[in-house]
This record gives sequence, structure tokens and C-alpha cells, in this order.
Amino acid sequence: AQSVTQLDSHVSVSEGTPVLLRCNYSSSYSPSLFWYVQHPNKGLQLLLKYTSAATLVKGINGFEAEFKKSETSFHLTKPSAHMSDAAEYFCVVSDQGPGRRALTFGSGTRLQVQP
Amino acid sequence: EAQVTQNPRYLITVTGKKLTVTCSQNMNHEYMSWYRQDPGLGLRQIYYSMNVEVTDKGDVPEGYKVSRKEKRNFPLILESPSPNQTSLYFCATKPRLAGGPLVPDTQYFGPGTRLTVL
Repeated sequence: AQSVTQLDSHVSVSEGTPVLLRCNYSSSYSPSLFWYVQHPNKGLQLLLKYTSAATLVKGINGFEAEFKKSETSFHLTKPSAHMSDAAEYFCVVSDQGPGRRALTFGSGTRLQVQP
Repeated sequence: EAQVTQNPRYLITVTGKKLTVTCSQNMNHEYMSWYRQDPGLGLRQIYYSMNVEVTDKGDVPEGYKVSRKEKRNFPLILESPSPNQTSLYFCATKPRLAGGPLVPDTQYFGPGTRLTVL
């Protein structure tokens, strides 16, 4: 079984300040972990993914995430927020064990960026 | 260009009027799936298909049907839509290694279909 918890439904930051979006997961098998972003009225776009290689993963638009197995976390960070980062972010877990689900989505974190 | 297409992109309908949302992919992927997205709930899987003629229920299958008669298409059918099926729907695909597990990599999403049932 797998699950993912996004600890904040809303995060608000000022432009130019760091971003931290928190995600905890559980998985019965070695998981793959993803962050997707969805801008208003747009589809889902992959930001970055972890698939058992380096634990610090760099993605697009300056985002990165660190896989911490001991903490079962995969938090998303960015050193300096930009207005265009305002969107909804989804943490996603996928384990390769048998069973029906390939992906489990978190409930999403809406990021607001204040000028 | 590799893509997943959905039609229609927007639909407003009335309770009880049967509808079909189509999903088509040109990547020869074996695995296809339907999700619905609702505020505060993230994406929840409705149905998925491991291959042609192989379909199974996801987390929220009630009120939906699917079929997989050919590899590239995976339509979502609402026989008698109700207002609680008003949602944003995404189709997604994923390749499988020959004879092996699903590739633990990017899942390709369609652009979404916004459905309103009055």
C-alpha cells in the first residue's frame, strides 16, 4: 500500500524568499516520487522525479527536492520564489509492487507568491 | 509528437444524459488510466487498464465505465451522470517494460476535461 500526505494545503511567501512545500509518503516497496505543478486552468506538468538514484533531485524552474528515507519525506524547495511560481503543487508516490494503483496523489498545496 | 489527447475539453450536460469522454495516445503505451481532480482531494484514480481488454477499478469507480478495445484509446463513459460527477478529468498513460513492471517514470497526462453536470 502507498500513501502521500502534503502537510500544508496553502503556503504563502513573498517574492524572492525561499519556498518549502512539505510531503511525507508511505510505501511498501521502493518508491518513485514525483512533484507535479498545475497552473490555473492548465494541465499537470512534471517538476522533478526521484527514482532511486541521487537523493537530491533537481527539477525545472529552480526547484529541487530531497528524498529522505529515514524521515519518509520528499519536500520541495526553491531558494527564491518568483511570481510565476504561484500554482498548485502535487506530491505523488508510485511503488512497483503488485496492485492496482500506479500513482497516488497528495491532496495538493496551493502556493501563493506575494509581491 | 508524443501526446495524450482528450475530447471534449469542456462539457456542460444535464443529469442522466449519457456521455463519453475520449482519451487517445500515440505512444503505444500499455497502461492507461483515468483520474478525477476535486479541490482539496488531489487526483483520485477512477479506472485503469493494463492492456487491451484488461481494465480494473481504481479508488472511485462508481458511476463510471471504461473500455479498452484497442491500445491507443481508453474512453470514459458516464451512463447516467449526476452533479457529484462535476469535476476535472485527466487521462494518463505509462509504458511497461516488455514482460515486466510498469516503468517507474513519468506518467503522461492529457490536458484535462472539465465536466459540469447540472
